[in-house]
Amino acid sequence: AQTVTQSQPEMSVQEAETVTLSCTYDTSENNYYLFWYKQPPSRQMILVIRQEAYKQQNATENRFSVNFQKAAKSFSLKISDSQLGDTAMYFCAFMKQGGWGKLQFGAGTQVVVTP
Amino acid sequence: NAGVTQTPKFRILKIGQSMTLQCTQDMNHNYMYWYRQDPGMGLKLIYYSVGAGITDKGEVPNGYNVSRSTTEDFPLRLELAAPSQTSVYFCASSPRLAGLVYEQYFGPGTRLTVT
Repeated sequence: AQTVTQSQPEMSVQEAETVTLSCTYDTSENNYYLFWYKQPPSRQMILVIRQEAYKQQNATENRFSVNFQKAAKSFSLKISDSQLGDTAMYFCAFMKQGGWGKLQFGAGTQVVVTP
Repeated sequence: NAGVTQTPKFRILKIGQSMTLQCTQDMNHNYMYWYRQDPGMGLKLIYYSVGAGITDKGEVPNGYNVSRSTTEDFPLRLELAAPSQTSVYFCASSPRLAGLVYEQYFGPGTRLTVT
């Protein structure tokens, strides 16, 4: 079974600054996917970014980028130029290939962006 | 497209009552999932389905039942509600592309309180 650990319950960042959220996971699988989901106060789950384990290049989506370290089983999310709308709970999630698409979530990190 | 819709948005149940949470998707996705999110925690998988007529248990299936008679609908049944089932419930769906499974699309959630 896989476990996903997010060790930072809450992070605070000022507008325009950068914040990095950490995520580690434990798996014996070689082929898998990793995701970061955002959950704003509206409760809607929104996909932020996805990384395929077979890709060495780190994924980027506009102001969001990841640092994927497969050997260390680490998958951090960097939010650059933080905006007030980035205030949300962020969840790291693991999906093994061939596992029927089931997601294993971490406990989440609350990000608060202040003016 | 409406995406994934869930009804009701909120519900209060008394201990021992039963109810069905409805989930419908209009994207013709094969895969559908039910998760629960307890306060301050990540989402945990209750049940999932890989197509009409095929369902299987997730991490926390006790106290719940599902059925999948059509591609669009995936209702979750709670029998004999207990306070431990107080949670926010999310339904999600995912396409199956080229033999792989990609991102999940989430519904807005149902907040259930059992008293």
